[in-house]
Amino acid sequence: AQSVAQPEDQVNVAEGNPLTVKCTYSVSGNPYLFWYVQYPNRGLQFLLKYITGDNLVKGSYGFEAEFNKSQTSFHLKKPSALVSDSALYFCAVRERNNAGNMLTFGGGTRLMVKP
Amino acid sequence: SQTIHQWPATLVQPVGSPLSLECTVEGTSNPNLYWYRQAAGRGLQLLFYSVGIGQISSEVPQNLSASRPQDRQFILSSKKLLLSDSGFYLCAWRSLAKNIQYFGAGTRLSVL
Repeated sequence: AQSVAQPEDQVNVAEGNPLTVKCTYSVSGNPYLFWYVQYPNRGLQFLLKYITGDNLVKGSYGFEAEFNKSQTSFHLKKPSALVSDSALYFCAVRERNNAGNMLTFGGGTRLMVKP
Repeated sequence: SQTIHQWPATLVQPVGSPLSLECTVEGTSNPNLYWYRQAAGRGLQLLFYSVGIGQISSEVPQNLSASRPQDRQFILSSKKLLLSDSGFYLCAWRSLAKNIQYFGAGTRLSVL
């Protein structure tokens, strides 16, 4: 079975500071990993994914994430936060042999960037 | 380019009334389609997925059902809504080429 944990309900950071949103996962075998962002009353927007290859993945809006197999983590990072980055962030995982290509999502982390 | 449409955007329904939410995808063929529910603005729960016309898999037993009458159409239904059916319903399709699920704008359902 596949699962995802986002241990922080909320992350607060000052504008211009680096941000990290944590994600750990559990799968059988190798994972596909994803980050999505959700603004109020909107659908989820894809940010980035890890499939294979380089452990550091770069995505939209200056976000990046680092795949760490030994720690089963896929933390989302950004060197300099913007107030407009304030939103709800979801990590998701899929096992490679998942017949329905189903994603399992974490509970979400609310990012608050203060001016 | 591919797009996904969900409607309506918001819906207020009385308890016991029927429900029909529609999702359509444009610009692709034979997509995998998914219905999720998001309660209280937090985690997503996968309700149904479909890998083809008439093929529906249910992940959670509940008051809802899904159908896929056409290749790019996915419908979420209920015969009688419950208060607990309130939530934000999201439809998604999977790009085979990019291995990414793309989401619609969602429908906020309030059952009163």
